[in-house]
Amino acid sequence: KQEVTQIPAALSVPEGENLVLNCSFTDSAIYNLQWFRQDPGKGLTSLLLIQSSQREQTSGRLNASLDKSSGRSTLYIAASQPGDSATYLCAVKEGIKAAGNKLTFGGGTRVLVKP
Amino acid sequence: GAGVSQSPSNKVTEKGKDVELRCDPISGHTALYWYRQSLGQGLEFLIYFQGNSAPDKSGLPSDRFSAERTGGSVSTLTIQRTQQEDSAVYLCASSYPLQGLRTEAFFGQGTRLTVV
Repeated sequence: KQEVTQIPAALSVPEGENLVLNCSFTDSAIYNLQWFRQDPGKGLTSLLLIQSSQREQTSGRLNASLDKSSGRSTLYIAASQPGDSATYLCAVKEGIKAAGNKLTFGGGTRVLVKP
Repeated sequence: GAGVSQSPSNKVTEKGKDVELRCDPISGHTALYWYRQSLGQGLEFLIYFQGNSAPDKSGLPSDRFSAERTGGSVSTLTIQRTQQEDSAVYLCASSYPLQGLRTEAFFGQGTRLTVV
């Protein structure tokens, strides 16, 4: 059974500092990994999608890496801003098999960027 | 519409009543997911639809929960005889299927269900 873990559960940094968020998964046979942002009381906003064949994806200040063999992904947010304060979730989609197709989520990292 | 649409956005119901939650996926997305997020908890998978295939119902917590997807588009999640522990935010997501196209999942804003 796939398990996804995000450490730390909460993170507080001063504005301007780079953020490093970690995600680990137990079964490396994934199809892709997706990072989401969730603001309080809101749904999830997709940030980056990394296919299993890729090593990283970049979008603006965001960069996500994937090391499938070790079961890890890292989301980097450069030059953090107070508007980056939110909960960040990673999710893996398993391959085409009987138990697959669903997204398995980590518990999230709650980020606070202090002005 | 451009995104996944869920209705209602908020629902307060009395214990024991039935509720229906609706999800309109992004046009062209054949995969549709329902998740539940209880207060302070992570996302709990409920059910997955892919085209005309039999849905993956492995996450439904009890037989009071059911879901259908009519015409391969709109989905309805029904909770019968609601209990207080059913209070949560119910999130719907859609994506293209695994084969071929990008499989990025897009989520709706959720339905906040409160059972009193």
